[in-house]
Amino acid sequence: DGGITQSPKYLFRKEGQNVTLSCEQNLNHDAMYWYRQDPGQGLRLIYYSQIVNDFQKGDIAEGYSVSREKKESFPLTVTSAQKNPTAFYLCASSPGQLNTEAFFGQGTRLTVV
Amino acid sequence: GQNIDQPTEMTATEGAIVQINCTYQTSGFNGLFWYQQHAGEAPTFLSYNVLDGLEEKGRFSSFLSRSKGYSYLLLKELQMKDSASYLCAVRDLSGATNKLIFGTGTLLAVQP
Repeated sequence: DGGITQSPKYLFRKEGQNVTLSCEQNLNHDAMYWYRQDPGQGLRLIYYSQIVNDFQKGDIAEGYSVSREKKESFPLTVTSAQKNPTAFYLCASSPGQLNTEAFFGQGTRLTVV
Repeated sequence: GQNIDQPTEMTATEGAIVQINCTYQTSGFNGLFWYQQHAGEAPTFLSYNVLDGLEEKGRFSSFLSRSKGYSYLLLKELQMKDSASYLCAVRDLSGATNKLIFGTGTLLAVQP
């Protein structure tokens, strides 16, 4: 079955450490996105990629980095420079056509301890 | 820049109809999406509007007015399982980008 997979579902990190969140899709989608969601809040865009080997900063990119070496994969690294990293992280993908919706993974809940 | 506004919370009664409004400001508008999100889960797609008018899909309908920067999601025959957050999202093509920008969401509580 096609879909978008995020792993792990829960992640704990010590303050000052970098951590990478995985996002893989087998839907053959060109575009991929990373969002952050804080309790009771909407989704804020961190980074997005419209095509392989290309990505752009979203509204809250500081303290994060991404890569898009393969169409299927769009990993997000939360660096030690991110001041408040504890949040729910959602990855999404969509086809290249503009009139199509984005599909979401199940999310990774990151807690800094 | 972009700005999307939705009410923070709403309450409705089982079996009733509820309308959730969304207003937006963006220079590169290219479509509006509604998603449903249950607590701790991923958002799921409900509807898409790019032209003015009403799109109906079962108990859910969505309306768009591009000139007013306004949309609403209409939920009919409310069920308890409809208690969730409803997210309005706009596709923004300004600056040669292709971003999907979300509002803060409206938390709907359906009461017996």
